[in-house]
Amino acid sequence: GIQVEQSPPDLILQEGANSTLRCNFSDSVNNLQWFHQNPWGQLINLFYIPSGTKQNGRLSATTVATERYSLLYISSSQTTDSGVYFCAVCKVSYDKVIFGPGTSLSVIP
Amino acid sequence: NAGVTQTPKFQVLKTGQSMTLQCAQDMNHNSMYWYRQDPGMGLRLIYYSASEGTTDKGEVPNGYNVSRLNKREFSLRLESAAPSQTSVYFCASLDFGGQGLGMYGYTFGSGTRLTVV
Repeated sequence: GIQVEQSPPDLILQEGANSTLRCNFSDSVNNLQWFHQNPWGQLINLFYIPSGTKQNGRLSATTVATERYSLLYISSSQTTDSGVYFCAVCKVSYDKVIFGPGTSLSVIP
Repeated sequence: NAGVTQTPKFQVLKTGQSMTLQCAQDMNHNSMYWYRQDPGMGLRLIYYSASEGTTDKGEVPNGYNVSRLNKREFSLRLESAAPSQTSVYFCASLDFGGQGLGMYGYTFGSGTRLTVV
């Protein structure tokens, strides 16, 4: 099955700093999603991005499907950005959706 | 409020006991998923149901069974609980757009924290 890797596994940032999180996947996929899990355990959709670039406020994401990776950019980080960021992929519609191990982000004031 | 509802939120079982985790969604999604989350291991797929009437194994199905009762409900059963099944369990629902539009509406429940002693 598809293998998903994320890097770095842990990241500590000073408030206001920028960061780039990476998701690599071992096979071609038609679907890719980024999630944020807040410190209370709630999982929140960030981007559906099987290819191309999207932006939403301070967050943006880019997926290069042909090279099998996706990047999540966080600019001007805030303490509320803390938590774990997951990417999830699905090879074809109605197939299993597999998560990466996550990047744990701590933003300190 | 529209969303995914999981019950119970917390449960303690003794080794060998059985239980069923319930999940219901009111978004008319076709696909539903069960994941477990363990520290440092992300979310691992246990079983999923691509559409009503179908179920398939995920990455870690051993020790679990599922039932897609109808379009709204997808339950996860532990027949004989083991300490290795101590985890946080998440149910999710989503749908796929036609003509390659991809997955959308991905929504998670709030989780069930299960401890097996």
